[in-house]
Amino acid sequence: GAVVSQHPSRVICKSGTSVKIECRSLDFQATTMFWYRQFPKQSLMLMATSNEGSKATYEQGVEKDKFLINHASLTLSTLTVTSAHPEDSSFYICSARSPGLNTDTQYFGPGTRLTVL
Amino acid sequence: AQKITQTQPGMFVQEKEAVTLDCTYDTSDPSYGLFWYKQPSSGEMIFLIYQGSYDQQNATEGRYSLNFQKARKSANLVISASQLGDSAMYFCAMRYLNTGGFKTIFGAGTRLFVKA
Repeated sequence: GAVVSQHPSRVICKSGTSVKIECRSLDFQATTMFWYRQFPKQSLMLMATSNEGSKATYEQGVEKDKFLINHASLTLSTLTVTSAHPEDSSFYICSARSPGLNTDTQYFGPGTRLTVL
Repeated sequence: AQKITQTQPGMFVQEKEAVTLDCTYDTSDPSYGLFWYKQPSSGEMIFLIYQGSYDQQNATEGRYSLNFQKARKSANLVISASQLGDSAMYFCAMRYLNTGGFKTIFGAGTRLFVKA
């Protein structure tokens, strides 16, 4: 199957700092990437849909200025948590799909665990 | 509104036996896709199986099969011959076409424990 990577896998930062998470599709071009957030023992919640070369579409309740998404190339999308606070601590997962692959399958990255002190 | 429901927070199964994880969904769209994912303790989401709303036959992938009951709006996952490595969290998901493009929503998940 297709491979999606995320970096870093784990990050601990101080309150008030910004953290950037990278999501890369390693062996295919992803025109669309998705960013999810997962709290402990809970399900995945879609934060935003990222389309290459255009602005991300955010889900209701997700602050655009807080969670900056950039999808500058067909293989890379970044999520920046700006001025992070302890309540932003969570597991962030990206996924990718491409018209060139089975369009009915999303391939997920391994996730990034963010801890804000 | 679209909705995915998993009513079993936890399930136990004896090794080598089969287990069914329940999933019901709600949508008024005629075209949608149903997925099952496995999430081990490492956190990675692993795709297991897919069923399209227009597919006539139930999807199967190795030990995984999806019992698709369209009229009842259920998409239960059946794992045959359970293995210890099957212990994980399992999520049912539905993808549909939204105004902004395709969107996938997830159920609350079912934690499966396989006993030796």
